[in-house]
Amino acid sequence: KNEVEQSPQNLTAQEGEFITINCSYSVGISALHWLQQHPGGGIVSLFMLSSGKKKHGRLIATINIQEKHSSLHITASHPRDSAVYICAVRLDDMRFGAGTRLTVKP
Amino acid sequence: NAGVTQTPKFQVLKTGQSMTLQCAQDMNHNSMYWYRQDPGMGLRLIYYSASEGTTDKGEVPNGYNVSRLNKREFSLRLESAAPSQTSVYFCASMQLGGYTFGSGTRLTVV
Repeated sequence: KNEVEQSPQNLTAQEGEFITINCSYSVGISALHWLQQHPGGGIVSLFMLSSGKKKHGRLIATINIQEKHSSLHITASHPRDSAVYICAVRLDDMRFGAGTRLTVKP
Repeated sequence: NAGVTQTPKFQVLKTGQSMTLQCAQDMNHNSMYWYRQDPGMGLRLIYYSASEGTTDKGEVPNGYNVSRLNKREFSLRLESAAPSQTSVYFCASMQLGGYTFGSGTRLTVV
């Protein structure tokens, strides 16, 4: 069983919709990262969190340490948000989820 | 521009050939990493280097070797390439919890 599970695997939304991507993990961690991978392949770090909530523009990330769960929200989604979103948790090294492929249609 | 530079971007090898993937960062980060990304799977750690002069195995080190030449550079070597090593390879560096990734190397072994 993968230590990091993401859901859904694929998500299609209409422009303007509110998006939620979920990440559950099975081990104690020191931090959780959300990454974005665009179709060209480049990976960008969006957030690192160890508790609570962080916001950057239209992106919001939350984490519940007790429940071992994190969510990434996108408000007012736009086609340029189309990408693969990856959750990663820090143990001694990093363990990655398989990613959620988001497609936002105009 | 500051960041992580990986070369080459694309490579095709024949089974048994060797090659080295190069990675350099100019952010003065201590930690550097090599990952592979395969369809339907998350990024998997091959090797990492917590600081100059040290390297450690990750989750999938078999068939690879690494060198942390100096603080800037961390190379990944395939001594005898196998089709199972067909993948996209990413180098990354980290400091204070923030990750920066290279643009990736798409390697095909035929």
